[in-house]
Amino acid sequence: GAVVSQHPSRVICKSGTSVKIECRSLDFQATTMFWYRQFPKKSLMLMATSNEGSKATYEQGVEKDKFLINHASLTLSTLTVTSAHPEDSSFYICSASALASYNEQFFGPGTRLTVL
Amino acid sequence: AQSVTQLGSHVSVSEGALVLLRCNYSSSVPPYLFWYVQYPNQGLQLLLKYTSAATLVKGINGFEAEFKKSETSFHLTKPSAHMSDAAEYFCAVSLMDSSYKLIFGSGTRLLVRP
Repeated sequence: GAVVSQHPSRVICKSGTSVKIECRSLDFQATTMFWYRQFPKKSLMLMATSNEGSKATYEQGVEKDKFLINHASLTLSTLTVTSAHPEDSSFYICSASALASYNEQFFGPGTRLTVL
Repeated sequence: AQSVTQLGSHVSVSEGALVLLRCNYSSSVPPYLFWYVQYPNQGLQLLLKYTSAATLVKGINGFEAEFKKSETSFHLTKPSAHMSDAAEYFCAVSLMDSSYKLIFGSGTRLLVRP
């Protein structure tokens, strides 16, 4: 149980375009979803926290107009990187948690974004 | 405020040797602690978690960790390393509030020599 999927797993796009990444909890209802960014050989940096049906809470320094997060249902959250630039290239990982899971987060497999 | 420190960005062991990955935490309240493993280009997989029950926690793949309040530590061990254990390991502490945020350590890369 507690499976989280991400789509796509890899995406290459041109500078200036927008990219949408989906995060789905497949077998549980995720009250909260998190989006992380991971630079090469670095730890995970939390970008934002989203609760179903409400606006995402962004961490300090993360541009909310650049990284649009939507959490429309208890099983789906999306991250849209708007007007992507090469510096947005990174590994993006989502996670999901449920109320009864002792604060445990279940992680998706990640999405590798490359902006040319 | 909660924080996590992982000592050693790289740990190298021989196959069959003991694995010890260190994690110290800082928390003003009893913490929930986690160890995750990450293989290249993959997400994080939970190895084990401490949620204020037994102080010795057994996880998957033969790993275990012991919560020591007096030392504010939660070190990860495995008696005998296997080549497949080579990966990045992250210790994390949960913020004990309604945000459910995790604070991650900087990670330790485990190398296993044949």
